[in-house]
Amino acid sequence: TQLLEQSPQFLSIQEGENLTVYCNSSSVFSSLQWYRQEPGEGPVLLVTVVTGGEVKKLKRLTFQFGDARKDSSLHITAAQPGDTGLYLCAGVGGRRALTFGSGTRLQVQP
Amino acid sequence: DAGVIQSPRHEVTEMGQEVTLRCKPISGHNSLFWYRQTMMRGLELLIYFNNNVPIDDSGMPEDRFSAKMPNASFSTLKIQPSEPRDSAVYFCASSFKAEANTGELFFGEGSRLTVL
Repeated sequence: TQLLEQSPQFLSIQEGENLTVYCNSSSVFSSLQWYRQEPGEGPVLLVTVVTGGEVKKLKRLTFQFGDARKDSSLHITAAQPGDTGLYLCAGVGGRRALTFGSGTRLQVQP
Repeated sequence: DAGVIQSPRHEVTEMGQEVTLRCKPISGHNSLFWYRQTMMRGLELLIYFNNNVPIDDSGMPEDRFSAKMPNASFSTLKIQPSEPRDSAVYFCASSFKAEANTGELFFGEGSRLTVL
């Protein structure tokens, strides 16, 4: 079983602060995706990282894939209330469909 | 274009009753996934289909759960008999990629099931 552990599980911060969310596994993934889920909705893809060491930026969000393709991080600069939601990493590897991490619930207070 | 459509959005039923959840994937997508989400266990893959054929059903909890995809535009997830521990939000997702496990997943809004 390919397990993805995310940390922290919960994060409550003030608007304007920076934060980093981590996604770790003992398994190697061919690629890794990050999704954001808002209450009452399904997850929505933010980014896919494919190459070990790859860094992708999406406005204030920076995603990094570990060199060994076992871990990833999401850094948010100057968080805004609109960033509030559940952030999920998901690994692609082997024959199984996407395996989702445990999730990080982010609350950004105005 | 319409996204993934799930029904019902909410279902409340009593233990022992049969529950059928329905999903219409995005037209043209060749893979369909059923996930279950709970606070305790997060988002778990139950089963996925590629070109209407079940590829991996190892996540289906037990024989009470069954899923079908009779054609490219419709899938059902059935629980019979239902139990309180089945209470969760069930998501259907679809994707289009040559390999079913590498494409972006497009999720429906989910079906929230409560079994009393």
